[in-house]
Amino acid sequence: DVKVTQSSRYLVKRTGEKVFLECVQDMDHENMFWYRQDPGLGLRLIYFSYDVKMKEKGDIPEGYSVSREKKERFSLILESASTNQTSMYLCASSPPASGSYEQYFGPGTRLTVT
Amino acid sequence: AQSVSQHNHHVILSEAASLELGCNYSYGGTVNLFWYVQYPGQHLQLLLKYFSGDPLVKGIKGFEAEFIKSKFSFNLRKPSVQWSDTAEYFCAVDPYNAGNNRKLIWGLGTSLAVNP
Repeated sequence: DVKVTQSSRYLVKRTGEKVFLECVQDMDHENMFWYRQDPGLGLRLIYFSYDVKMKEKGDIPEGYSVSREKKERFSLILESASTNQTSMYLCASSPPASGSYEQYFGPGTRLTVT
Repeated sequence: AQSVSQHNHHVILSEAASLELGCNYSYGGTVNLFWYVQYPGQHLQLLLKYFSGDPLVKGIKGFEAEFIKSKFSFNLRKPSVQWSDTAEYFCAVDPYNAGNNRKLIWGLGTSLAVNP
């Protein structure tokens, strides 16, 4: 069974802290994605990666960075957390475009920055 | 810019009512289409998808969607909803760009509440 796991379901951090959100997939997928989900705004893509050490900016990359050192792991980093980064963060993975590349999602991390 | 529009932001129905959620996209080329569902407290999961072939596709839990290319639409339907269908529904489109790094274009979602 397909599985995408995220390191935390809930996280509370203080303004200015460095925050790491981890995502692991066990499907050997090439593509991995980080989204944030806010009420009324749907899913907004922060960053995605189509291979190890490769990354591309999504629609809202400001204030975030990512790391993909291994194929199965994709990390989202908030260098200095701010209150406007309070949100639900979703990780997803998909196989390459040549296959059935529907995205598989993790359970999400609800981050609160105080 | 490519976009996906979901016409209904909030829908409230009684059990056994019929459901149709609208989804339109703006892209003139080949597309792959998806509906995802997020039940309360659960992760996003695929409801159904269209890649090619029969434009009427069937998904899980009795849902279906029809791709009408001339209308750039991919509306989701269910003839009789249940309380357990209460969820948020997202339409997503892949504009079939070349390359390995496909991104989906997402609608803003429709929140469905079904009253028992």
